[in-house]
Amino acid sequence: GNSVTQMEGPVTLSEEAFLTINCTYTATGYPSLFWYVQYPGEGLQLLLKATKADDKGSNKGFEATYRKETTSFHLEKGSVQVSDSAVYFCALSNFGNEKLTFGTGTRLTIIP
Amino acid sequence: NAGVMQNPRHLVRRRGQEARLRCSPMKGHSHVYWYRQLPEEGLKFMVYLQKENIIDESGMPKERFSAEFPKEGPSILRIQQVVRGDSAAYFCASSKDPAMNTGELFFGEGSRLTVL
Repeated sequence: GNSVTQMEGPVTLSEEAFLTINCTYTATGYPSLFWYVQYPGEGLQLLLKATKADDKGSNKGFEATYRKETTSFHLEKGSVQVSDSAVYFCALSNFGNEKLTFGTGTRLTIIP
Repeated sequence: NAGVMQNPRHLVRRRGQEARLRCSPMKGHSHVYWYRQLPEEGLKFMVYLQKENIIDESGMPKERFSAEFPKEGPSILRIQQVVRGDSAAYFCASSKDPAMNTGELFFGEGSRLTVL
């Protein structure tokens, strides 16, 4: 079956630091990969996605590259802001099925 | 275009009572998903419904839990005889067409159930 393993949190960084949140997956076939973000008190929002190997998803300064050889989809940002404080979820889905399998989430706190 | 609407946002029940959570998907979306988020954990899939049909309920506990998405009206997740372990945030999400594999689910703000 499908599974997603995410970097354990919480993660605390200073403003303008470089961010990496690791994500690896196990899946049949060729899944699509996603990062969702959950701000305090809100539902999840799609941050970025990649649908095939070597694709790079990007949004709001965040990037992640679909690496089939390492079954990874690590999230990166060059310079984080306080407003990036949230919980980040890595997820995957198989073609034709919007049912998502989520990782456990990584809580990120950015301090000024 | 209104987003996914869930209500109530917060619900408190005593053990043994029933909890009903409602979800109105985005306009034009006919696919609804329910996820549960236990404290300090990720989201776990519960059930996937299309209008009047349950497509996949593999994540739903076999007892006390049921879900429906009638032809008219919101989707409802019903928990009978609640226990303390049911305390969680229940998120509803909707999508337009899973065959397109966009992967983008639109989530509501969640209903937080507390069982005393």
